[in-house]
Amino acid sequence: RKEVEQDPGPFNVPEGATVAFNCTYSNSASQSFFWYRQDCRKEPKLLMSVYSSGNEDGRFTAQLNRASQYISLLIRDSKLSDSATYLCVVRRGANNLFFGTGTRLTVIP
Amino acid sequence: DADVTQTPRNRITKTGKRIMLECSQTKGHDRMYWYRQDPGLGLRLIYYSFDVKDINKGEISDGYSVSRQAQAKFSLSLESAIPNQTALYFCATSETGQGADYGYTFGSGTRLTVV
Repeated sequence: RKEVEQDPGPFNVPEGATVAFNCTYSNSASQSFFWYRQDCRKEPKLLMSVYSSGNEDGRFTAQLNRASQYISLLIRDSKLSDSATYLCVVRRGANNLFFGTGTRLTVIP
Repeated sequence: DADVTQTPRNRITKTGKRIMLECSQTKGHDRMYWYRQDPGLGLRLIYYSFDVKDINKGEISDGYSVSRQAQAKFSLSLESAIPNQTALYFCATSETGQGADYGYTFGSGTRLTVV
């Protein structure tokens, strides 16, 4: 079983829409959780960490449910510039990151 | 200059050839990593190094070797390249301790094709 599983998409949404991505992780010993963004043919970049209480950064909201081993990312008021692949990432152990395969988002004008 | 620099950016090589991918960083981070990315498989860890004298195998180290020449340099070698090593390779760095929680810094990647 994969450490991290994501719906690969693609998600095609109109500008201004709200879109949600989900992710599950298999190991309950996972300690930290993140969303990374990766543009086409570019390197991944940290978008935001995910905290148990949920956290928000502008139009982006991340949620964590440890009991269900489930992580989500909500993007409100989608912009064309949000088009990218979103990687769900978990840390288990010292600096060992496990990456999901990514969910591709295309925001349509 | 980029914080993490990978060379070359693109490389096409023949089966059986030896190839080295290089990574250098100006972040001052102790920890460095090599990942490969394949469609549908996500990023997978090849090797990682927590300091100059520390080298560890990752999930998929077979067919690869690494060298940590200095704190700022970490190179990945394919001793005898094979076609299924065709992939996008990323070098990354992080701070010591819970540094991963502050994000990895990735290089811009090396696209390797083995023919």
